[in-house]
Amino acid sequence: DQQVKQNSPSLSVQEGRISILNCDYTNSMFDYFLWYKKYPAEGPTFLISISSIKDKNEDGRFTVFLNKSAKHLSLHIVPSQPGDSAVYFCAASGGGSEKLVFGKGTKLTVNP
Amino acid sequence: GAGVSQSPRYKVAKRGQDVALRCDPISGHVSLFWYQQALGQGPEFLTYFQNEAQLDKSGLPSDRFFAERPEGSVSTLKIQRTQQEDSAVYLCASSSYPVSPRSYNEQFFGPGTRLTVL
Repeated sequence: DQQVKQNSPSLSVQEGRISILNCDYTNSMFDYFLWYKKYPAEGPTFLISISSIKDKNEDGRFTVFLNKSAKHLSLHIVPSQPGDSAVYFCAASGGGSEKLVFGKGTKLTVNP
Repeated sequence: GAGVSQSPRYKVAKRGQDVALRCDPISGHVSLFWYQQALGQGPEFLTYFQNEAQLDKSGLPSDRFFAERPEGSVSTLKIQRTQQEDSAVYLCASSSYPVSPRSYNEQFFGPGTRLTVL
C-alpha cells in the first residue's frame, strides 16, 4: 500500500504558465513533507519543504501548499521555465522515523 | 563544498556475485540513508545510520543486504549473491539531523549507483 501517492505520471505546461503538481498521503503520522526534483542519471535534488504546523511555504518561484485535513499537498511553480522539466518527487516523514517515503514521481515537461 | 558522492556510478554483476557500493556523505553530516530506486518508481528506504549506529534497517529486503558505517562517515552497502531483482539504482543521502532542528531535515542525495545483475 502506497502511503504517498502522485496520481499524475506526467504533466505538460507552456513556458511562463503555472505548473501544479499534486501529492496525497495516507499516514496521519507524517509531519514533514518535501519536494525533490530529479534529472536523468542524477540523484534527487531538494527543492522545498513544509512542516505540518504550516499550510504554505514559498521560495522564489516555488510554493508548497499543505492541506492536512485532506492529506494533500501541492507544488506550484510560477512562472514555469523549460529548465524545470524533470521528474518531481513528493516525500514525507514522521511517526518517529527519519526515513523519507516517496511517491512515484510526476514527469513535468515545460514547452518553450 | 562537496556533495554526497557514490562509487562506482555503474556496476554490472553476474547473478550470484557479491557487490559493494560506497557512499561518502557531506562532511559533518551525522545521518546517512540508503534508498533503492527501481525503474519508474520513487526511491524506497533501505537503512539509516546516525553516526556509526544503524538505527533502522527495516527496509533491507533480505539478509543478503548488509550496510555498515564503521567510523561514522563513509558507508558501504553490500549485496551478497546478487539476484536479477536487485537491479536498481542505489541512492545514498545524508543530512545534518539531529544536529539541526527537525524542521531542517533535508536529505541531500548522491548521484546513485546503477546496479545491473545479469
